[in-house]
Amino acid sequence: GESVGLHLPTLSVQEGDNSIINCAYSNSASDYFIWYKQESGKGPQFIIDIRSNMDKRQGQRVTVLLNKTVKHLSLQIAATQPGDSAVYFCAENQAGTALIFGKGTTLSVSS
Amino acid sequence: ETGVTQSPTHLIKTRGQQVTLRCSSQSGHNTVSWYQQALGQGPQFIFQYYREEENGRGNFPPRFSGLQFPNYSSELNVNALELDDSALYLCASSLVLAGGGEQFFGPGTRLTVL
Repeated sequence: GESVGLHLPTLSVQEGDNSIINCAYSNSASDYFIWYKQESGKGPQFIIDIRSNMDKRQGQRVTVLLNKTVKHLSLQIAATQPGDSAVYFCAENQAGTALIFGKGTTLSVSS
Repeated sequence: ETGVTQSPTHLIKTRGQQVTLRCSSQSGHNTVSWYQQALGQGPQFIFQYYREEENGRGNFPPRFSGLQFPNYSSELNVNALELDDSALYLCASSLVLAGGGEQFFGPGTRLTVL
């Protein structure tokens, strides 16, 4: 079936390090992907998105890379801060309606 | 600009009861989507409403139903509650209908079914 998933359930880094969170998807027809951050007790917060006609997109301290050949995307966070500690989800937007989420990666940043 | 709001924050029900959850979309948004998030899992799409009509539905039984009102606010109704319905229910609003677009999430309603 079609699904979006993340490679690792947890990631622990030191403050100031760069973090990389990975996600694999199975539907080769997917054309829009989003990364969300969810803090405890809150709803998912949009971080960055990318469409299939792009390989890379940069935001403030974040970069998303899309490799359509192997159906993989990643989220890179530069100079990770304690406030970045949260659960990160990749999601695929299908036909403008449903967001299909993976299970999430918990990022823990220690100072 | 007002963000997405949901009510109530928490709710406890018993098996077999019915529940109604409410969502006010972000100002200017005309599309509302509902998601169920079980503990430790990613959100699962329930359905979406656009201009008061259901526009897409996930793999949820008919006892999950919804409404969207002319002011774009929305309700999620769940009948005959089951223990597995215990979850965080998220509402998301967006402006664009087709081609994908950013969905803004509310804080969610935590439903516990005993």
